Amino acid sequence: KNQVEQSPQSLIILEGKNCTLQCNYTVSPFSNLRWYKQDTGRGPVSLTIMTFSENTKSNGRYTATLDADTKQSSLHITASQLSDSASYICVVSAVNSGYALNFGKGTSLLVTP
Amino acid sequence: EAQVTQNPRYLITVTGKKLTVTCSQNMNHEYMSWYRQDPGLGLRQIYYSMNVEVTDKGDVPEGYKVSRKEKRNFPLILESPSPNQTSLYFCASSRQGASGELFFGEGSRLTVL
Repeated sequence: KNQVEQSPQSLIILEGKNCTLQCNYTVSPFSNLRWYKQDTGRGPVSLTIMTFSENTKSNGRYTATLDADTKQSSLHITASQLSDSASYICVVSAVNSGYALNFGKGTSLLVTP
Repeated sequence: EAQVTQNPRYLITVTGKKLTVTCSQNMNHEYMSWYRQDPGLGLRQIYYSMNVEVTDKGDVPEGYKVSRKEKRNFPLILESPSPNQTSLYFCASSRQGASGELFFGEGSRLTVL
């Protein structure tokens, strides 16, 4: 069964610090992996989309990495800001899976002053 | 402005009273989908549509109906709502099917008493 596991479930860091969120998946055959940011009570917003051939992709202070061999991805946030407080969701799609997506349950990040 | 619009944003109703949550996108996307989000469970797909008059079940379709008569609209229908359908609902659309970047609406918080 295709699964997406995210860790940690929640995280608290001080403003200005860096952090890394993890996403492990068993989805196969792999098509792409996306990271979304969801502010409380709002719809998720795309941060990055990575295909099989991409190892790293950045979006401002957000850098996603992908290791398709070990089926792991990470989202690194540099110099965190209070506005980074949100839930971060990893979504993986499979080739020829029709139009179904596999969602992780998200990591809840709280950045404190 | 490119957007996905859901209505209503908040609704409290009673068991058995039919309701419809509307979703409209102005990006000419072919793919649209509905999700529900519950604490600890993450986002789960209810239904999706690959194009006009083409819809299919997601992971949790029981108790819901959808229709896709026009490209821009994808309403979610609860014929006889029950308390276990109390949830936060999101509509999303994509230009490239499930493999493309998903654009989410702002969410509709539904409470069924």
